[in-house]
Amino acid sequence: TQLLEQSPQFLSIQEGENLTVYCNSSSVFSSLQWYRQEPGEGPVLLVTVVTGGEVKKLKRLTFQFGDARKDSSLHITAAQPGDTGLYLCAGARDYKLSFGAGTTVTVRA
Amino acid sequence: DADVTQTPRNRITKTGKRIMLECSQTKGHDRMYWYRQDPGLGLQLIYYSFDVKDINKGEISDGYSVSRQAQAKFSLSLESAIPNQTALYFCATSGSAGGPDTQYFGPGTRLTVL
Repeated sequence: TQLLEQSPQFLSIQEGENLTVYCNSSSVFSSLQWYRQEPGEGPVLLVTVVTGGEVKKLKRLTFQFGDARKDSSLHITAAQPGDTGLYLCAGARDYKLSFGAGTTVTVRA
Repeated sequence: DADVTQTPRNRITKTGKRIMLECSQTKGHDRMYWYRQDPGLGLQLIYYSFDVKDINKGEISDGYSVSRQAQAKFSLSLESAIPNQTALYFCATSGSAGGPDTQYFGPGTRLTVL
C-alpha cells in the first residue's frame, strides 16, 4: 500500500489553464518534497516544504504543506507545454523518502 | 559532468542471469539509495546506506543485494534475475548541504529481464 496518495493520476489541460495536484497521507513527515521527472531521466527536486502551513512559490508554481504536516498540494498557474511531465511528491522521515505514485501532467498547446 | 552517474543506462538480460548495476557520485554525500520505478507505483526503496559500513534493507529488498565499495560507490546486484524485476532503477544520494532530506537522482538504468 502507498504511504502517500497522489491525485489525480493523470491530468490533461490546455495551455493557460490552472491545475492542482494533491498529495495526502495519514502519516506525519519531517518535510515533504516535490519532484518532476522527464521521460528517460531521474526525478529533479522542485521544492522542499518543512513547516506546517508553509507556502512556497516558484514562479508559476505554488506549493503548500498542510498544518499537520501530512499533506501537500502543488498548484500551477497559467500552465505551459514546458510544464508537461511526471510530478512526484515524497515524504521524508529518518533520512528516507516515501513516494506517491505520481501525477502525469500534459499541457496541450 | 553529472554528479550522480549510473551504468549501464540500458540492459537486457535473461532469466537466471546475475546482473550488477553501478552508481557513482561526486557530491561527497554519505547517504546513498537504490530505488525501482514501475508504471503507476512511484519509486520504491530497495536498499539504502548511510555510510560505508552501513547497509539497510528498504521496502522491497527480496531478490536484491548491495555493496558500498566506497563513499562514492554503491552497487546493486540481482543474483538471479526474474522477469518481474523488469523496471527502471535509480540511484540517489543525500547529504547535509541542500537540506538533509533532499535526494539527488542519477539518470536511471532501464533493465529488461526476458
